[in-house]
Amino acid sequence: DTGVSQNPRHKITKRGQNVTFRCDPISEHNRLYWYRQTLGQGPEFLTYFQNEAQLEKSRLLSDRFSAERPKGSFSTLEIQRTEQGDSAMYLCASSLGGPRDTQYFGPGTRLTVL
Amino acid sequence: DQQVKQNSPSLSVQEGRISILNCDYTNSMFDYFLWYKKYPAEGPTFLISISSIKDKNEDGRFTVFLNKSAKHLSLHIVPSQPGDSAVYFCAASGGTDSWGKLQFGAGTQVVVTP
Repeated sequence: DTGVSQNPRHKITKRGQNVTFRCDPISEHNRLYWYRQTLGQGPEFLTYFQNEAQLEKSRLLSDRFSAERPKGSFSTLEIQRTEQGDSAMYLCASSLGGPRDTQYFGPGTRLTVL
Repeated sequence: DQQVKQNSPSLSVQEGRISILNCDYTNSMFDYFLWYKKYPAEGPTFLISISSIKDKNEDGRFTVFLNKSAKHLSLHIVPSQPGDSAVYFCAASGGTDSWGKLQFGAGTQVVVTP
C-alpha cells in the first residue's frame, strides 16, 4: 500500500503531556498538509510544507504546536503541554506539487486528552 | 469564519434514487471546488472536483454542478448505492490561498437504504 500513513492511529494522554504524531506521505509527493477535525466539523487547515519548507501556519496553530518535515520526506506534528481542547482527529494529506493536485489523506491520528 | 457551508447535516435516500448534496460558499475568490467522501475510521477520499471556469463536471455516477453567481455547488449521485453511505465534505480553495489550502464544510451524512 503506497498511500499516506499516519502513526499512531490513536493516542490517549493526560493534560500537560507532550505528544508527537508522524505522517509518511506518498513517496513522490512534494506537498504535505496537516489538518485537524473535531466532532461534527470538517477538517481545518493547520500547516503546509513544500518539500522541507513550512510555508504557512494557521492562526489555529498556537505556540504549543510545532511541525517539521526534515529532508522533505515524513513529517511530525508535536503538541506541547496538551489541553483538553486539543482532543481531535489530526489528518495529514499529501499532493504532487501543484495547488490543484489532489490531496490524498491518511487515516488520521485520534488524540484524546484526559 | 466558516466560508464553506453545508447546511444539511444528514440525508437519507433509497437505493437506486438520486442523492443531491448542497454546498454554499461566501468567498468569491474561491476558484476550485472539491467533494470528498469519508468512511468511519478512514481519512477523506477525493471524489470529484470542478474549476470555476466550468459549471458541470461528471465522473460516472457523480456529477458536480457549480453556480458561481449564487456561490453554490451541488453533488448528484445517480443511482445511489448502499456503498455510498458515508459523510460527504465539500471543499474549496483559491484566491490568497492559491497554493492549495482547502477549506471544508461541516459535512453531510448520507445514508442509502435498501
